[in-house]
Amino acid sequence: KNEVEQSPQNLTAQEGEFITINCSYSVGISALHWLQQHPGGGIVSLFMLSSGKKKHGRLIATINIQEKHSSLHITASHPRDSAVYICAVSRGSEKLVFGKGTKLTVNP
Amino acid sequence: EPEVTQTPSHQVTQMGQEVILRCVPISNHLYFYWYRQILGQKVEFLVSFYNNEISEKSEIFDDQFSVERPDGSNFTLKIRSTKLEDSAMYFCASSANRGGHEKLFFGSGTQLSVL
Repeated sequence: KNEVEQSPQNLTAQEGEFITINCSYSVGISALHWLQQHPGGGIVSLFMLSSGKKKHGRLIATINIQEKHSSLHITASHPRDSAVYICAVSRGSEKLVFGKGTKLTVNP
Repeated sequence: EPEVTQTPSHQVTQMGQEVILRCVPISNHLYFYWYRQILGQKVEFLVSFYNNEISEKSEIFDDQFSVERPDGSNFTLKIRSTKLEDSAMYFCASSANRGGHEKLFFGSGTQLSVL
């Protein structure tokens, strides 16, 4: 069983829709990261959180430590949001364990 | 915004050859990492480096791999004798503090193709 599971694997939305991407993990963690990988391959860190909720622009990340679950929300989605969104966890060390990613396509 | 720089962006090599992948981390960062992503698979941790020594490594990071910070600005990953299965995108990353609890800054990657 993967330590980090994401759903859905693929997501297609129309511009303006509210998007939710989910991440579940199987063991206790010290922090959870959401990252964005563009079609060219580059990876950008979006959020790092260990409790509660964080917001940056149209992006919101939440985490529920008891349920071992995190969500990434995108409000008013736009075609430029099309990318792979990756959840990764830290278990107290420097190493991040990555999920397989969710490929998001936002159509105009 | 400061960025992590990786060179080259693409590297093609013959099986058995040595390759060195280069990275310039963000200047005031103290922790450095290499990750890799085989095509179609998830990103995997290779190694972390702090205070001029390896602080953590994965089972992937065997004796064929080594890392070095030769001059205080560059951070390199050497693969001594490349195998076909080493073909992947290699990402360098850096952070100001210990990576698990700190935002990581990634380079744009080096696509390594072993023929």
